Amino acid sequence: GAGVSQSPSNKVTEKGKDVELRCDPISGHTALYWYRQRLGQGLEFLIYFQGNSAPDKSGLPSDRFSAERTGESVSTLTIQRTQQEDSAVYLCASSFNAGGTGNTIYFGEGSWLTVV
Amino acid sequence: QKEVEQDPGPLSVPEGAIVSLNCTYSNSAFQYFMWYRQYSRKGPELLMYTYSSGNKEDGRFTAQVDKSSKYISLFIRDSQPSDSATYLCAMSPGNNRKLIWGLGTSLAVNP
Repeated sequence: GAGVSQSPSNKVTEKGKDVELRCDPISGHTALYWYRQRLGQGLEFLIYFQGNSAPDKSGLPSDRFSAERTGESVSTLTIQRTQQEDSAVYLCASSFNAGGTGNTIYFGEGSWLTVV
Repeated sequence: QKEVEQDPGPLSVPEGAIVSLNCTYSNSAFQYFMWYRQYSRKGPELLMYTYSSGNKEDGRFTAQVDKSSKYISLFIRDSQPSDSATYLCAMSPGNNRKLIWGLGTSLAVNP
């Protein structure tokens, strides 16, 4: 597609439920990133995929968070047993590769998650 | 102390003003410095990218990096209402996935 596509754009869920957030990166981009942006806070790195390499999961805040990516295409971020502190916008981004910071990272518009 | 400090504002200026946005950082290993613009309910978009120290100009935007002071700036000349957004600085020692972000400065340019 023309840009990074994320769904759902908005999600309200009850505490304790599981949610799945989907990201469709720009075609041909081998690198895919998930970030979290909570109100009044900066972007937090969550996880990074590069091609067929093992993902960098160092930013995942707890074992309730997991993500998968099928090849170099769609990625799904799953949050199990959601808590109110999980309320945030979850941003997906992709880049052609991660060989250097000069490769522009393109962001989607985010999935706005509210846990009530 | 956070690795990257950025005043969240809000900053309000009249149309045509010169805007100065700044970030300070503590990690001397940072080599790559970026400024992103984020409109309300949109994802960030890259505005400027600078490697190491120096200045970079692109149209009305100028990015400056002073590594000796651990201080970066973004200047916007002839500011327009369409520049109203949140401006985020981001930096890295050399790898995209390790970008460290400022909180963002909210800018309003009033016609």
